[in-house]
Amino acid sequence: AQSVTQLGSHVSVSEGALVLLRCNYSSSVPPYLFWYVQYPNQGLQLLLKYTTGATLVKGINGFEAEFKKSETSFHLTKPSAHMSDAAEYFCAVSEAQGGSEKLVFGKGTKLTVNP
Amino acid sequence: DTEVTQTPKHLVMGMTNKKSLKCEQHMGHRAMYWYKQKAKKPPELMFVYSYEKLSINESVPSRFSPECPNSSLLNLHLHALQPEDSALYLCASSQDWPQANSPLHFGNGTRLTVT
Repeated sequence: AQSVTQLGSHVSVSEGALVLLRCNYSSSVPPYLFWYVQYPNQGLQLLLKYTTGATLVKGINGFEAEFKKSETSFHLTKPSAHMSDAAEYFCAVSEAQGGSEKLVFGKGTKLTVNP
Repeated sequence: DTEVTQTPKHLVMGMTNKKSLKCEQHMGHRAMYWYKQKAKKPPELMFVYSYEKLSINESVPSRFSPECPNSSLLNLHLHALQPEDSALYLCASSQDWPQANSPLHFGNGTRLTVT
């Protein structure tokens, strides 16, 4: 069964600084990987996904993530943080399980952006 | 703006009440989901409907009763809930299920308080 570990439940950065949110996964087969963002009082919104092909994936709002199979990682980055990036971020993994696919979420990382 | 619409946005109900949550999508998606999210936690899957048929029930108590009248609509009927059922209830849809690489599109949720 697959699992996701997000290192750091809280990350705080200054406006303009690099954002790095860490995600490691466990999967017995090639995984599909996702990052979702949740702003206060809203649902989750897809930032980006990795299925196959290029390992560096670009998403919305300037975010990108790199799939590293050897490290079983899918870290999320953004070169320069904006105040509007403050939100909860969830990494998720999905794999085929004999026709019963489920999306498994990490516990989330709350990003705070300081002025 | 989200393409998955949930009503109501907020709901307060007593333990003896019967109420329903509603969800609608017009993206032509064939799979719809109910998730429950407690504060500072990731969403927890409750039900999955594929082509209007219940495909997954994650051992949810019978006081939660899902219904999928057609491929665009999903309801969650609530009866005799407990205070611990207070949470954000999220509806989501995807192109297909099972399809591990199909991302979820979430609504903004219904904030439920059980008194």
